[in-house]
Amino acid sequence: GAGVSQSPSNKVTEKGKDVELRCDPISGHTALYWYRQSLGQGLEFLIYFQGNSAPDKSGLPSDRFSAERTGGSVSTLTIQRTQQEDSAVYLCASSPRRVGYGYTFGSGTRLTVV
Amino acid sequence: TQLLEQSPQFLSIQEGENLTVYCNSSSVFSSLQWYRQEPGEGPVLLVTVVTGGEVKKLKRLTFQFGDARKDSSLHITAAQPGDTGLYLCAGTQYNNNDMRFGAGTRLTVKP
Repeated sequence: GAGVSQSPSNKVTEKGKDVELRCDPISGHTALYWYRQSLGQGLEFLIYFQGNSAPDKSGLPSDRFSAERTGGSVSTLTIQRTQQEDSAVYLCASSPRRVGYGYTFGSGTRLTVV
Repeated sequence: TQLLEQSPQFLSIQEGENLTVYCNSSSVFSSLQWYRQEPGEGPVLLVTVVTGGEVKKLKRLTFQFGDARKDSSLHITAAQPGDTGLYLCAGTQYNNNDMRFGAGTRLTVKP
């Protein structure tokens, strides 16, 4: 597609349930990133995928968070046993090269845990 | 504490005024980027600076990367209501894989 696509755009879930967030990067972009943005805050790095290399998971806040990237394209961020503090906008971005070059962001998934 | 400190946190000005927002760190960056984010959307890249002392202009926006590659500024001339948004700086450190963001400056330009 022309841009980075994220789905769903909004998700309301009950505390304790699992959720999956999807990201379709720009075709041909080898790098894919997940960030989290809480209300009124900047972006918190979660995880980074680059080609077939092992992902950089150093930003994941707990073992309830995991992410996969299948076939070097689509990525899924999974949050297990959601907590209220997980409520935020989850943003995905892709880049054609390694870090230092412009990211293209999706519009995000707004997650609300009630 | 944030790796990148942005100031001011909030800024409200009248149309036609000039403004400068700052992005500071004690760390050195290989490159630094500025993004603008509007409500309900992801951040949109405005500029990437990679050379210490570099100045880039984008219409009424002027970006500067500090000589020591630790800080940057964004200057807007004759601000317009369309400039309203959250301005984020983001830096990449040497030997790191990810880009770290500041908390942003929320700019409101009143007509």
